Amino acid sequence: SQKIEQNSEALNIQEGKTATLTCNYTNYSPAYLQWYRQDPGRGPVFLLLIRENEKEKRKERLKVTFDTTLKQSLFHITASQPADSATYLCALVDTGRRALTFGSGTRLQVQP
Amino acid sequence: DTEVTQTPKHLVMGMTNKKSLKCEQHMGHRAMYWYKQKAKKPPELMFVYSYEKLSINESVPSRFSPECPNSSLLNLHLHALQPEDSALYLCASSQLGTDTQYFGPGTRLTVL
Repeated sequence: SQKIEQNSEALNIQEGKTATLTCNYTNYSPAYLQWYRQDPGRGPVFLLLIRENEKEKRKERLKVTFDTTLKQSLFHITASQPADSATYLCALVDTGRRALTFGSGTRLQVQP
Repeated sequence: DTEVTQTPKHLVMGMTNKKSLKCEQHMGHRAMYWYKQKAKKPPELMFVYSYEKLSINESVPSRFSPECPNSSLLNLHLHALQPEDSALYLCASSQLGTDTQYFGPGTRLTVL
């Protein structure tokens, strides 16, 4: 069966450090993978999309990598700030249905 | 305008009530979605509309009835809900041919 797993339910780091979140998937052949941020009681907000032929994508302090051999994406936040505290969700498109399926999410807490 | 709006923000209803959730976007997106999200879980897809036609129904109970009156509006009609239907209901939209979704803030539904 298809699965999207985000390895850590919660991640606590110190302000200024780099946060690294992991997304692993099975039985998907995604053309691309997306990352979203969700704050409590709010809808997810799109952050980054990385295509299968892209190894790495950056946006300001965010960096995403995509390894289709390992079936894994890593999401990095450098120089983390308390304002980065949120739940981060990876998402894939089920090409048969053209609909997003989300991973379980990682709740990031950045301590000042 | 890159916003998806949802009303109401909060809704409390009894099991015999009929109510509706509303969603609106003015980004010209032709795909619109309803998701249900329980606490500490990722959003789960309920319905997808493409060009105002229902394209995906994720085996949602008939007490949830979606409607897409035009390309900007999406409704979710609720009738005879159960307490376990209490959740955050999220609306999203996207351009057809891309899968980046823009989410509204959600409606927090409580069924008594």
